[in-house]
Amino acid sequence: EAAVTQSPRNKVAVTGGKVTLSCNQTNNHNNMYWYRQDTGHGLRLIHYSYGAGSTEKGDIPDGYKASRPSQENFSLILELATPSQTSVYFCASGRDWGGANYAEQFFGPGTRLTVL
Amino acid sequence: GEQVEQRPPHLSVREGDSAVITCTYTDPNSYYFFWYKQEPGASLQLLMKVFSSTEINEGQGFTVLLNKKDKRLSLNLTAAHPGDSAAYFCAVSADSNNRIFFGDGTQLVVKP
Repeated sequence: EAAVTQSPRNKVAVTGGKVTLSCNQTNNHNNMYWYRQDTGHGLRLIHYSYGAGSTEKGDIPDGYKASRPSQENFSLILELATPSQTSVYFCASGRDWGGANYAEQFFGPGTRLTVL
Repeated sequence: GEQVEQRPPHLSVREGDSAVITCTYTDPNSYYFFWYKQEPGASLQLLMKVFSSTEINEGQGFTVLLNKKDKRLSLNLTAAHPGDSAAYFCAVSADSNNRIFFGDGTQLVVKP
């Protein structure tokens, strides 16, 4: 049973359209993250969250919004999609640090987004 | 913020050879280190996690070395086989905001 799931797995959108990517985790982790992965850039952090109701900007937040309505769910929203946002998007969850926690992140399967 | 440089970006070895991937980082306060493996079309899977007090960490078929003085982390696949062909990512954290910073990855190909 996958602990971090994403939907949709594949999405084709038109330029200027609105896109919502969804992530659900059953790890009961406080922290959730959205990354994009492009060839030659590895993983780049877009937004993250410490818990329900919180969102924080990562390293490349421009053109993206995030929403964390509950502990389990974290969405990434592209209000006006552009072709430069064509990428593979990964969601991850992680525990708070402290004590013996290593704070590793657990990744979902990814969403391949194509903006035409 | 933390900067992580990973080398080489591409690595091709023969089956049975060793393969070494190295990352350097900038923040001397880093104390959590990770290696992830990503097979084609798949997500990232944690290969090993390392705490800063442990310099040598052994897994099944690989060794992770941490040199805090040089701020260097390496992954050594001791006798690579074709099933090891994948992308490998190092990740580093010193951040109490629960962030980890990734290298750009190494695409490893192991030829029979």
